[in-house]
Amino acid sequence: EVQLLESGGGLVQPGGSLRLSCAASGFSFSNYAMSWVRQASGKGLQWVSGISGSGDTTYNSDSLKGRFTISRDNSKNTLYLQMNSLRADDTAVYYCAKVGYGSAFLGIDYWGQGTLVTVSS
Amino acid sequence: SYELTQPPSVSVSPGQTARITCSGDALSKQYAYWYQQKPGQAPVLVIYKDSERPSGIPERFSGSNSGTTVTLTISGVQAEDEADYYCQSADSSGGYGVFGGGTELIVL
Repeated sequence: EVQLLESGGGLVQPGGSLRLSCAASGFSFSNYAMSWVRQASGKGLQWVSGISGSGDTTYNSDSLKGRFTISRDNSKNTLYLQMNSLRADDTAVYYCAKVGYGSAFLGIDYWGQGTLVTVSS
Repeated sequence: SYELTQPPSVSVSPGQTARITCSGDALSKQYAYWYQQKPGQAPVLVIYKDSERPSGIPERFSGSNSGTTVTLTISGVQAEDEADYYCQSADSSGGYGVFGGGTELIVL
């Protein structure tokens, strides 16, 4: 059974940093691209970042302007999202997601339960 | 930055056909994917690569592409289909992804 378990969310002040982790199990982690997707309360889905199975190629939302960095450790079956210069509008539930039906960052077939990031003073 | 445009809501009676559109300049070059999200739940992929259906998704869900607009069609809509639907695709270079704003399907 595929499981994606996010951690690292919480309350952070504007301008601060946070690193999210996603522990994956139930599939051959290094064979699949992964993504981060966020959703603010009552709002739509927003794609954040994607990474290839090997970790050699990363993709980032144009709107985040380099503040977020996706990475992975295939030896630990873990996906990461480093978030810097956080702003109030980054407040959202962040989902770890496995890509299964497309390439790079499209065609998500499994989602984690999400971790809440709140940016507030 | 690149955007995908969806109608905010679509209303349909049970048993009728619902059509949800998604427009974007790069849709003639990049595949579209459709997700269903019910309140309090994670999204579920219902269509991939414009018109393919994942295993376990009912046949009443179908997708099509007519250039810069893709359409999710739900035939014989059931009450359980009431949900938010999101299209997803990439910019023309395939450098980043984007979701449409979402469409609330209302089953009357």
